[in-house]
Amino acid sequence: DAGITQSPRYKITETGRQVTLMCHQTWSHSYMFWYRQDLGHGLRLIYYSAAADITDKGEVPDGYVVSRSKTENFPLTLESATRSQTSVYFCASSSVVLAGFSETQYFGPGTRLLVL
Amino acid sequence: GQSLEQPSEVTAVEGAIVQINCTYQTSGFYGLSWYQQHDGGAPTFLSYNALDGLEETGRFSSFLSRSDSYGYLLLQELQMKDSASYFCAVKVNRDDKIIFGKGTRLHILP
Repeated sequence: DAGITQSPRYKITETGRQVTLMCHQTWSHSYMFWYRQDLGHGLRLIYYSAAADITDKGEVPDGYVVSRSKTENFPLTLESATRSQTSVYFCASSSVVLAGFSETQYFGPGTRLLVL
Repeated sequence: GQSLEQPSEVTAVEGAIVQINCTYQTSGFYGLSWYQQHDGGAPTFLSYNALDGLEETGRFSSFLSRSDSYGYLLLQELQMKDSASYFCAVKVNRDDKIIFGKGTRLHILP
């Protein structure tokens, strides 16, 4: 019963480097989300995906790329990391109900990223 | 724009009752959710209100007034383990994103 996992849990990188954060869920949920959490800003949506090969921008997508070739995986790539991307990144998933995606989102444990 | 307003901090005493308010201004509204997050942890779902009224789940209750664009989370018989941040979140559209508030830090005094 793994649920939703993220890797790595902690990452230190340098400005300009490419970084990929992984997210994997075992529930076969259709919807997956990436958030970043910073002090004073709460949770802000970066990208989300309604199904494999369907992705859409959230509130703060600049500097990030996502893909979803398989339902269970939703990697987030920082193409050229900047200090402003230092944050805690959470992946989440939810199932489909009649009214769209379920109001219940299940969050992974988070990845703490430091960009030097 | 879309906005959710909730107090940044609330302090209460162990065993007491506390209410955390949330007002929202969004382009659409499907429902209001509440999430709890302990320090260093991930947010976890607490409750959801799509219709006006009170929903009760154990010591936690959540209320919604769609006409007032307002909701609250009520925590009863506070325990030290309830010390955490609480986020309200609005589902704006059927297939669209959820907008989160900035969170309310709940401090519980013994």
